[in-house]
Amino acid sequence: ETGVTQSPTHLIKTRGQQVTLRCSSQSGHNTVSWYQQALGQGPQFIFQYYREEENGRGNFPPRFSGLQFPNYSSELNVNALELDDSALYLCASSARDRAYGYTFGSGTRLTVV
Amino acid sequence: TQLLEQSPQFLSIQEGENLTVYCNSSSVFSSLQWYRQEPGEGPVLLVTVVTGGEVKKLKRLTFQFGDARKDSSLHITAAQPGDTGLYLCAGSKAAGNKLTFGGGTRVLVKP
Repeated sequence: ETGVTQSPTHLIKTRGQQVTLRCSSQSGHNTVSWYQQALGQGPQFIFQYYREEENGRGNFPPRFSGLQFPNYSSELNVNALELDDSALYLCASSARDRAYGYTFGSGTRLTVV
Repeated sequence: TQLLEQSPQFLSIQEGENLTVYCNSSSVFSSLQWYRQEPGEGPVLLVTVVTGGEVKKLKRLTFQFGDARKDSSLHITAAQPGDTGLYLCAGSKAAGNKLTFGGGTRVLVKP
């Protein structure tokens, strides 16, 4: 059983640019959630995707958007990057019909300069 | 403002000592999860507690869910250097829902 895979592992972008982060969910999981973890803090929920539709969103502006594909993989897109967007972005997959079983990827470390 | 407050924020102890990490909220959660995260890695699930008053043991780790399902604790007995890491609690209002994380407790176990 493969785990959650995220790419790239590290990324450096300039303020104002756009970025796309990718996530492959664990085999058998149909739901993907994205979290932002600033240095020294706990992860903050960005949004969740189920059946290719957004299914819940945290307190993040519209420049944070996402997609889920038929194979349950997902993308997180961030437009007009700001310095405060520098963080570890985590993807977690789960199975909708199974309670509480979240598997996290290793994350993408985004640095905005 | 964190919905889940963890304390302490940082804990440094000697190998063999015991430690307890607390996770408190004014909200009721249907489940509480504990994760451990190492630098450069994602959180790894340690345990899920769903019933008020529930106690779960995982080798030297003991997890407790408060009767009112608003708080939880993690107790480590005879800590080892391998227990070093960031411990995160996370609550969920329903199965499949988003996780609300605490700010984390950084534990350092010195040999």
